[in-house]
Amino acid sequence: TQLLEQSPQFLSIQEGENLTVYCNSSSVFSSLQWYRQEPGEGPVLLVTVVTGGEVKKLKRLTFQFGDARKDSSLHITAAQPGDTGLYLCAGGGSNYKLTFGKGTLLTVNP
Amino acid sequence: DSGVTQTPKHLITATGQRVTLRCSPRSGDLSVYWYQQSLDQGLQFLIQYYNGEERAKGNILERFSAQQFPDLHSELNLSSLELGDSALYFCASSGGDTQYFGPGTRLTVL
Repeated sequence: TQLLEQSPQFLSIQEGENLTVYCNSSSVFSSLQWYRQEPGEGPVLLVTVVTGGEVKKLKRLTFQFGDARKDSSLHITAAQPGDTGLYLCAGGGSNYKLTFGKGTLLTVNP
Repeated sequence: DSGVTQTPKHLITATGQRVTLRCSPRSGDLSVYWYQQSLDQGLQFLIQYYNGEERAKGNILERFSAQQFPDLHSELNLSSLELGDSALYFCASSGGDTQYFGPGTRLTVL
């Protein structure tokens, strides 16, 4: 069974701070996706990384896929209250089936 | 708006009952995925359909079943409901490797 562990589980910071959340597994995935989910909504895809060592930037968000394609990180620079939400990583496998981590609940306080 | 619709948004029922959750995928998407999200288990993959055929199965209980109809909408049937079935149920659709999630159905079993 492929498992993805995310850390930290909860993170509460002040506006303007930087943060990094992690997604780790003992399994290799063909791709790694990051989603953000707000209360009462479904997860929304932020980025997909497929190549070991790949780094992608989305405005203030930087995503990195580990060289061995088993782990990933999400770094947010100068966090804003609008970044508040549940951040989920998901590993891609066959038939586009996704295995999700339990998420990091981020709260950015004004 | 992801383009995926789910009904109903909320459902409250009693133990032992049966319910049907409905999902309409994005226009043109042939794949439909069902997920269950609970606080302790996170987002769990249940089942995938592709163009009417079952493609992959995850942690779906025998009391649960699903189908995809010729117009590509899908239904998830949950029977002999137990308190532990209370959760958010999400449907996602895809035309490739990106899954788009609906807003979910919140099921409460009393």
